[in-house]
Amino acid sequence: AQKVTQAQTEISVVEKEDVTLDCVYETRDTTYYLFWYKQPPSGELVFLIRRNSFDEQNEISGRYSWNFQKSTSSFNFTITASQVVDSAVYFCALVPSGGYQKVTFGTGTKLQVIP
Amino acid sequence: SAVISQKPSRDICQRGTSLTIQCQVDSQVTMMFWYRQQPGQSLTLIATANQGSEATYESGFVIDKFPISRPNLTFSTLTVSNMSPEDSSIYLCSVGDRGRDTGELFFGEGSRLTVL
Repeated sequence: AQKVTQAQTEISVVEKEDVTLDCVYETRDTTYYLFWYKQPPSGELVFLIRRNSFDEQNEISGRYSWNFQKSTSSFNFTITASQVVDSAVYFCALVPSGGYQKVTFGTGTKLQVIP
Repeated sequence: SAVISQKPSRDICQRGTSLTIQCQVDSQVTMMFWYRQQPGQSLTLIATANQGSEATYESGFVIDKFPISRPNLTFSTLTVSNMSPEDSSIYLCSVGDRGRDTGELFFGEGSRLTVL
């Protein structure tokens, strides 16, 4: 069985602070994919990043960065210099090699950025 | 990337009625999925919508309650039948962009249903 844990239910930061959202996963598959999605109050899910299990390179995109560490089964997401528009629920998800039907979402972390 | 449109974006429904949600994609996709997100919860896969055949349902979801159509590679509908307040959720359509290969997984903007 696979599992995705986002232990932080809610986080509040003051604008311009950096914040890291944690994601820890469990899987028996050797090939799998990890995703992060943003869900603003309007409800849609916005794709942020996809990373496969063979690629442990960290990635930076503007104010966003991701740290994938296979040794600790973690795929953490950092927002630098947070802004009010970053306020949303963020979901981490795991898709094994068996395909999308086996996708597992974490329970989400609600981020509130206070002006 | 795929652009996915869902209708309606939100609705308020009476107990016992049924509502059909439409999902339109701007390109042909092999795989389309329907998810439910209950208030304050994560996403749960309802079913995979298969083109030309019956949908494949996940444990806990049945065709009588959530009938799905997939007439072509760009369109699908999900019906929530005989609704009760417990069906109040966001229903999301999603598509994969590379057949059975696990590429990017995109979501529509969701349909927020409230059942009174």
